Amino acid sequence: DAEITQSPRHKITETGRQVTLACHQTWNHNNMFWYRQDLGHGLRLIHYSYGVHDTNKGEVSDGYSVSRSNTEDLPLTLESAASSQTSVYFCASSGGLGNEQFFGPGTRLTVL
Amino acid sequence: GESVGLHLPTLSVQEGDNSIINCAYSNSASDYFIWYKQESGKGPQFIIDIRSNMDKRQGQRVTVLLNKTVKHLSLQIAATQPGDSAVYFCAENNQGGKLIFGQGTELSVKP
Repeated sequence: DAEITQSPRHKITETGRQVTLACHQTWNHNNMFWYRQDLGHGLRLIHYSYGVHDTNKGEVSDGYSVSRSNTEDLPLTLESAASSQTSVYFCASSGGLGNEQFFGPGTRLTVL
Repeated sequence: GESVGLHLPTLSVQEGDNSIINCAYSNSASDYFIWYKQESGKGPQFIIDIRSNMDKRQGQRVTVLLNKTVKHLSLQIAATQPGDSAVYFCAENNQGGKLIFGQGTELSVKP
């Protein structure tokens, strides 16, 4: 069955370190998204991609970057982790712009 | 700016009763709406969606109602079960596939 996976599921890192969160989908979806979820803020869009080599900034993109070298993967990089980036991160994908998004299981990131 | 919000942050219902979760949206150009269910420690799970050319859509035990006049969306769950306990999010799509999520309503089902 097609699915979307994230790794690692839990990560503890130190302030200033570079961190990369992986997202892999086997739906063959063109559209992929990264969100962060914090209490009181719901899900907020960080970056998104509509296809290979396409990346776009979302609502809360500062301090994050993504790259899309193939259809299946959209890794999220925190260039220099900050305590404010402690959060749960969700990756999602969709097959069309007017279609539902399918979410991964999430990565809980703690920045000390 | 655009926003999608929920009227009630928590909802407690008795098992077997019907549940209604409400959502308000602000952008009249939104053309697609989704309800997601999120259980503790998991990612949001698609429940049901509705497009702006409809005012009602039914699934298995769930119904979504859309009132474009007052920009209101609701999710009705029939015969609520303990397994329905979760946080429910509404989301609107009006920006080329990007979703705007509401804050979420926590549904608690009492046995």
